[in-house]
Amino acid sequence: GAVVSQHPSRVICKSGTSVKIECRSLDFQATTMFWYRQFPKQSLMLMATSNEGSKATYEQGVEKDKFLINHASLTLSTLTVTSAHPEDSSFYICSALEVGPPGAPQHFGDGTRLSIL
Amino acid sequence: AQSVSQHNHHVILSEAASLELGCNYSYGGTVNLFWYVQYPGQHLQLLLKYFSGDPLVKGIKGFEAEFIKSKFSFNLRKPSVQWSDTAEYFCAVNAGTGRRALTFGSGTRLQVQP
Repeated sequence: GAVVSQHPSRVICKSGTSVKIECRSLDFQATTMFWYRQFPKQSLMLMATSNEGSKATYEQGVEKDKFLINHASLTLSTLTVTSAHPEDSSFYICSALEVGPPGAPQHFGDGTRLSIL
Repeated sequence: AQSVSQHNHHVILSEAASLELGCNYSYGGTVNLFWYVQYPGQHLQLLLKYFSGDPLVKGIKGFEAEFIKSKFSFNLRKPSVQWSDTAEYFCAVNAGTGRRALTFGSGTRLQVQP
């Protein structure tokens, strides 16, 4: 089946550091990828929609200058958390949407656990 | 805006017991409905989905869900659970207007005891 690779799986870094997370569709093309954030014992919350070759669409309350998204190819989207602070610590999950009709499924990565000290 | 409610946060069952997990959504228009499962240490996987047609949807691993439009519900069922069904279950919805991102419920942690 379709596989989405998310890297790294875990990051621990100091406050003020910028962290880049990659999301790759390994065996299919994805014009659209989504970035979600999950707080402990809570659901996934959509942060932004990443569209290949165009600017990402951010959800209300998500700072676009804080969470930089680049979707430079049909198989790769990156999320960069700039100048990360402890409140950015969370579980970040990407999903990739197969090119196709409305019924095409989303495929999820394994997630990245970000811990800011 | 869409929202999804999952009423059961933590369910504990014995093997062979029947399962029903509740899911209600709030959105007045056409919706697409999904159930995802997340096994410990693994990524989210699609169990089943409803787009149109027969409101009783069958998914993988013996799961099924019934879409009841009048109740805005999409409950997940399984007649007889196994220990291997221990996982977190998420109901999700997206509006059938072309927006493809999902709105998730808070999840239900299912623990099946042998």
